Amino acid sequence: GEDVEQSLFLSVREGDSSVINCTYTDSSSTYLYWYKQEPGAGLQLLTYIFSNMDMKQDQRLTVLLNKKDKHLSLRIADTQTGDSAIYFCAEILTGGFKTIFGAGTRLFVKA
Amino acid sequence: DAGITQSPRHKVTETGTPVTLRCHQTENHRYMYWYRQDPGHGLRLIHYSYGVKDTDKGEVSDGYSVSRSKTEDFLLTLESATSSQTSVYFCAISDPGLPEETQYFGPGTRLLVL
Repeated sequence: GEDVEQSLFLSVREGDSSVINCTYTDSSSTYLYWYKQEPGAGLQLLTYIFSNMDMKQDQRLTVLLNKKDKHLSLRIADTQTGDSAIYFCAEILTGGFKTIFGAGTRLFVKA
Repeated sequence: DAGITQSPRHKVTETGTPVTLRCHQTENHRYMYWYRQDPGHGLRLIHYSYGVKDTDKGEVSDGYSVSRSKTEDFLLTLESATSSQTSVYFCAISDPGLPEETQYFGPGTRLLVL
């Protein structure tokens, strides 16, 4: 069935790079997304990648997509304490109505 | 969260009582969604709407109903609240005109059913 999996926790030191990984199951997904959720807030779109791309860079964020392995990753360069949050990977299924979210990876940034 | 509000933001209720949550948008987006967020589950789709009076079920729709009489409002009703419906509820909007088909989320409603 449809599923998106990601590890639940990641801890890094301030200034280091963070890499959050995600696997998905629907090979027909047109877009894959990364959302950020800060405490007490809704989800905020961080970035997305179209399924025919391998990589997308946006300032400190780099998204890598391996379609063969159905693996998506988010790299945050020079991680700051303000990056501490839960990061959700999501895929939108064909038809556009249904988006499947992972359980979220909680990023802890140590000063 | 710009353009999407949810009310109430917090609610405590008792088992068996009806509860209605409201989502209001000012973006004139066609699609609206209700999700619940629970630890370890990410977000799960309850119901969605693809136009006024057009709604459909998501993966966890049992015990919930929705209504959309206006483009800007999407109501989620728990007919008889149960403790298993204690959760954080998020509304989201999207529009087929957006090239990346992105969903934008409201700030959430925290519901506690005692």
